[in-house]
Amino acid sequence: AAGVIQSPRHLIKEKRETATLKCYPIPRHDTVYWYQQGPGQDPQFLISFYEKMQSDKGSIPDRFSAQQFSDYHSELNMSSLELGDSALYFCASIARAGGYTFGSGTRLTVV
Amino acid sequence: GIQVEQSPPDLILQEGANSTLRCNFSDSVNNLQWFHQNPWGQLINLFYIPSGTKQNGRLSATTVATERYSLLYISSSQTTDSGVYFCAVKRGGADGLTFGKGTHLIIQP
Repeated sequence: AAGVIQSPRHLIKEKRETATLKCYPIPRHDTVYWYQQGPGQDPQFLISFYEKMQSDKGSIPDRFSAQQFSDYHSELNMSSLELGDSALYFCASIARAGGYTFGSGTRLTVV
Repeated sequence: GIQVEQSPPDLILQEGANSTLRCNFSDSVNNLQWFHQNPWGQLINLFYIPSGTKQNGRLSATTVATERYSLLYISSSQTTDSGVYFCAVKRGGADGLTFGKGTHLIIQP
């Protein structure tokens, strides 16, 4: 079965650089969610999109932005990276009813 | 926001043992899921269980929505069961899942 695809799997950036993470949801899933998981922490909700429109915001910094495109893939853009942004970033998708399916995550390291 | 408490926070067991993990939540939910995060960081969906009981091999889960708790049972533990088990819930109208702090399970050979 098709899963949620995230790229890249690993990313190393320097402080103050920018990063773009990509997410391809399960086909026919119209809702995408982004989560951030710091070391030893539980995942925290950042932002979600339904039918290419932002539907909810969690604890997403102003330096981050995201969008969903016409093919339903989503990109998380992160600017002015800080050491504290080092984390696992997950994307999840969901059909109108049912459970969330998470991608394998992108491990971002800021040095 | 909704509070999710998981217990125990840490659990060390020998291979072959059984275990019960608990998740309490503070408000009515329309989505409850159990996830296993393996040592490589992958979040594997175990159960979508806003109510009732489900079984999948050596794992089973029960959610009693009226009493706001869920239980995850692991029988005949294997070393590959090691990792962090998260309970995550969503209220009606709220968009994102709220995760508990997790139970860190170590299965020793």
